[in-house]
Amino acid sequence: DTGVSQNPRHKITKRGQNVTFRCDPISEHNRLYWYRQTLGQGPEFLTYFQNEAQLEKSRLLSDRFSAERPKGSFSTLEIQRTEQGDSAMYLCASSDTRREVLETQYFGPGTRLLVL
Amino acid sequence: KQEVTQIPAALSVPEGENLVLNCSFTDSAIYNLQWFRQDPGKGLTSLLLIQSSQREQTSGRLNASLDKSSGRSTLYIAASQPGDSATYLCAVGPGGYNKLIFGAGTRLAVHP
Repeated sequence: DTGVSQNPRHKITKRGQNVTFRCDPISEHNRLYWYRQTLGQGPEFLTYFQNEAQLEKSRLLSDRFSAERPKGSFSTLEIQRTEQGDSAMYLCASSDTRREVLETQYFGPGTRLLVL
Repeated sequence: KQEVTQIPAALSVPEGENLVLNCSFTDSAIYNLQWFRQDPGKGLTSLLLIQSSQREQTSGRLNASLDKSSGRSTLYIAASQPGDSATYLCAVGPGGYNKLIFGAGTRLAVHP
């Protein structure tokens, strides 16, 4: 396994612009999670996928946020009309519920977003 | 609503000390509890995972205990080293699909 990868690692954008992040989970992991982490806080759950189906979205995920996982492999998280309050680290995690009795989530390095 | 609290928020110790980091949670109906390490600006590395039916897990110099009834977990680090300097996060899995609910972390600095 090569681990969870996320791109880009850093993104600086101006308020009002759209941004898209990508997450590549560990190969064949069926679950994929998105979290957001602000400075000095722990990560907060945003949404998760079981294969290609998005099964839950947090109230933190406003209408400006959309996530997809076509074909049940990589996932994208898009933020439209970014606001300064969107500045945070966006973390992706994946897990395999079919092979592990205890579901360990493996996290990627994150994408740090700064909205000016 | 499940809430996770970690105490202390920050800790600075000399190398070689044995440490205890505390985590408490408000709802004892959890599926599992995980301890993670996070280096500055980086993602999370899983250290230990304790299933709700277990009392403790050990990995090298790390030992994590779980007392579900009292809503507490501790992470014990033996013989701390400067390389242990990082933020340690506690997270509970409330069950089902196991989204994690995190505490704010304990920022640890171990100086030579």
